[in-house]
Amino acid sequence: RKEVEQDPGPFNVPEGATVAFNCTYSNSASQSFFWYRQDCRKEPKLLMSVYSSGNEDGRFTAQLNRASQYISLLIRDSKLSDSATYLCVVNGGGSYIPTFGRGTSLIVHP
Amino acid sequence: DAMVIQNPRYQVTQFGKPVTLSCSQTLNHNVMYWYQQKSSQAPKLLFHYYDKDFNNEADTPDNFQSRRPNTSFCFLDIRSPGLGDAAMYLCATSREGVAGELEQYFGPGTRLTVT
Repeated sequence: RKEVEQDPGPFNVPEGATVAFNCTYSNSASQSFFWYRQDCRKEPKLLMSVYSSGNEDGRFTAQLNRASQYISLLIRDSKLSDSATYLCVVNGGGSYIPTFGRGTSLIVHP
Repeated sequence: DAMVIQNPRYQVTQFGKPVTLSCSQTLNHNVMYWYQQKSSQAPKLLFHYYDKDFNNEADTPDNFQSRRPNTSFCFLDIRSPGLGDAAMYLCATSREGVAGELEQYFGPGTRLTVT
């Protein structure tokens, strides 16, 4: 079983749709969780940290479910500019080595 | 603005010709990383430094070497590039966030082509 698993997609959605991605992790000692956005041929950029209480930033909501060992990202009112790959990143306690999922591709069409 | 800078952005080298990629940061982060990323794949960690302590991933080929002469700079040397080394090379730094989480900041990457 891979340490961090994501559905690679692509998720193909119309503008205005709500879309959700999940990411599962295998290391129960993991302590920090992130969603990064990566545009084609660009570097990953931090989208959100994921806290135990969940967090929201505009149209984006991230949640953590420790019992089931997954994190989620919800995007409401999708924009064309949301088209990108979304990388799930998990870090174990005391480690400086994050583990990346392979990313989920999102395509928002008119 | 504080940032992670990589040079060059694009590098073309010949098969077997050594190449050096550079990374600098103005964030004063103590951890620096080098990743290799190929199309449609997750970034693959090659090395990381915690301050001056060098950490090599077990599956990083010997063909890849790294240097960190000071906090701000880090170099990736590919001694004899092969066609399979063509990829995007990403440098990243990290710091702990307000809740103890570890956030990484990436440079724009160097896209390496091997001919």
